[in-house]
Amino acid sequence: DTAVSQTPKYLVTQMGNDKSIKCEQNLGHDTMYWYKQDSKKFLKIMFSYNNKELIINETVPNRFSPKSPDKAHLNLHINSLELGDSAVYFCASSPHQGAYEQYFGPGTRLTVT
Amino acid sequence: KNQVEQSPQSLIILEGKNCTLQCNYTVSPFSNLRWYKQDTGRGPVSLTIMTFSENTKSNGRYTATLDADTKQSSLHITASQLSDSASYICVVSRLGGGYNKLIFGAGTRLAVHP
Repeated sequence: DTAVSQTPKYLVTQMGNDKSIKCEQNLGHDTMYWYKQDSKKFLKIMFSYNNKELIINETVPNRFSPKSPDKAHLNLHINSLELGDSAVYFCASSPHQGAYEQYFGPGTRLTVT
Repeated sequence: KNQVEQSPQSLIILEGKNCTLQCNYTVSPFSNLRWYKQDTGRGPVSLTIMTFSENTKSNGRYTATLDADTKQSSLHITASQLSDSASYICVVSRLGGGYNKLIFGAGTRLAVHP
């Protein structure tokens, strides 16, 4: 009965590789997000999709490509991984875009060596 | 610059005691202010959401206040429990481009000791 789930929970990979993180929500929400939490613990928005349409893209390198096959899923693909990509990535969802509570997944800890 | 600053960075209190966490922000235009609790290794969980017109909101033992004039908020925890040990993150939502953008503080790390 997990509301927002992410896979994998941990990901260790080498520089230059391509990897994907998957996110699914079973809350029936229209809007989904990807956040990055760096070593200083700041969370920063990367992308937001509303009903499968991209609505927020926050100056993220184009090595990061989100894909939303349907409104319950928002996956994140990262090409040519760099050391600076190491962080915890959180998926979240909200009923609609706007001033609604966001529900976060458990996070994916990505380590690039 | 749109920023959210929290204090203290970390705090240790004894079980049963109260504490207050502070948040100052310079985000504009303001939409709403949220407090989240983040346990180690978990995603943030929403505690309260306050709009411009609300100056206090409670969720059990958690009470948040908002002074939109001075751009300050506080989170008061009453009768702390060991399970309150976590990071508490102040988040301000900014209106812009037709959507709300969340700007996160770095959090206050709270440790409740027996």
